[in-house]
Amino acid sequence: DAKTTQPPSMDCAEGRAANLPCNHSTISGNEYVYWYRQIHSQGPQYIIHGLKNNETNEMASLIITEDRKSSTLILPHATLRDTAVYYCIVRVAGGNEKLTFGTGTRLTIIP
Amino acid sequence: SAVISQKPSRDICQRGTSLTIQCQVDSQVTMMFWYRQQPGQSLTLIATANQGSEATYESGFVIDKFPISRPNLTFSTLTVSNMSPEDSSIYLCSVEPGQGYEQYFGPGTRLTVT
Repeated sequence: DAKTTQPPSMDCAEGRAANLPCNHSTISGNEYVYWYRQIHSQGPQYIIHGLKNNETNEMASLIITEDRKSSTLILPHATLRDTAVYYCIVRVAGGNEKLTFGTGTRLTIIP
Repeated sequence: SAVISQKPSRDICQRGTSLTIQCQVDSQVTMMFWYRQQPGQSLTLIATANQGSEATYESGFVIDKFPISRPNLTFSTLTVSNMSPEDSSIYLCSVEPGQGYEQYFGPGTRLTVT
């Protein structure tokens, strides 16, 4: 699996958009970008995934650069409940492929 | 989606003993994954459990230490054997149902070995 690089920590004011970057410069053509988050003492929660087009769901938006070497997860209106560690993972989609977790970004939402 | 439960939610065990962790899913799934999260660390995959076959272990993990059972498509157990304080971690199971591509995680079992 390709490696990802994320900043170790970020702060964001409550109500503002939180933009979490991820570099995955060695991503392969058949690998998707996935985002998960882990709120303290809970199991990780799936957020969103994408291949090359931008994606949006009820939780977040995923912006992938045209060369697919980086992406940004956007939480449009961050709340205190969004405080968590966010993991960017690349892997081949489907087929029950394993997830390889990096160190992630610890996002703190400031009141 | 899938709803996953784990038992026990937490336990304190003495070194040298073993603990079996249960993972129950509300739907049939082909594969189940077991992860370990050591204090302050990220998740590390222990093994992948496919119903009807031997589990596949990741580098650094062996069957004698972490035996896994997968008797049917909704249930699996992970045993942590001959425990030492270094085994103190959160153990999580996960599944990937259907073709949704996302994995769902259980709430985890917090193990402390004294």
